Amino acid sequence: EVQLVESGGGLVQPGRSLKLSCVASGFTFNNYWMTWIRQAPGKGLEWVASITNTGGSTYYPDSVKGRFTISRDNAKSTLYLQMNSLRSEDTATYYCTRVAGGYWGQGVMVTVSS
Amino acid sequence: DVVMTQTPVSLSLAIGQPASISCKSSQSLLGTSGKTFLNWILQRPGQSPKRLIYQVSKLYSEVPDRFSGSGSETEFTLKISRVEAEDLGVYYCWQGTHFPHTFGAGTKLELK
Repeated sequence: EVQLVESGGGLVQPGRSLKLSCVASGFTFNNYWMTWIRQAPGKGLEWVASITNTGGSTYYPDSVKGRFTISRDNAKSTLYLQMNSLRSEDTATYYCTRVAGGYWGQGVMVTVSS
Repeated sequence: DVVMTQTPVSLSLAIGQPASISCKSSQSLLGTSGKTFLNWILQRPGQSPKRLIYQVSKLYSEVPDRFSGSGSETEFTLKISRVEAEDLGVYYCWQGTHFPHTFGAGTKLELK
């Protein structure tokens, strides 16, 4: 059974940093691209970042480019999202996803507020 | 960026009625691979999104066959032949052909 379990969320002040983790199990992690998607409270979904299976290439929308960094440790079957210079508009539930196969984690909440 | 336009915004239907949701993209979602990466997902209240359909019309294994997807290029449709209570929630279409990947605003299905 494919499982994606996120952690690392919480309350953080504007301008500070936070790092999310996602531990994957039930599949060969290094065979798949991975993606972070977020959802602001009461709002729709927004793609945040994707990374190739080897970690050699990464992709971001303009809204987070230069502030967020997606990475992975294939030996640990773990996906990361380093979030710097956080803004109030980054407040959201962040989902770890494996797009191929349509798998989503349960999500982790990040609140950016002073 | 590709804009995904979903209609209607909401649907109120009785159990057993059919449902239809439209999703239109601002440019063709046919990729250079010859595949069209148009997906549908359902988010039930208080839950994370769940997979329904990928590549326009392919149902995931656990999805009931009362769901179907169709379309091409820029116009796509999700249909439910007979709505059941477990189908309530917000349906989203989203495209994975072009970066940035983009989502429709969602269609809320409520039971009458």
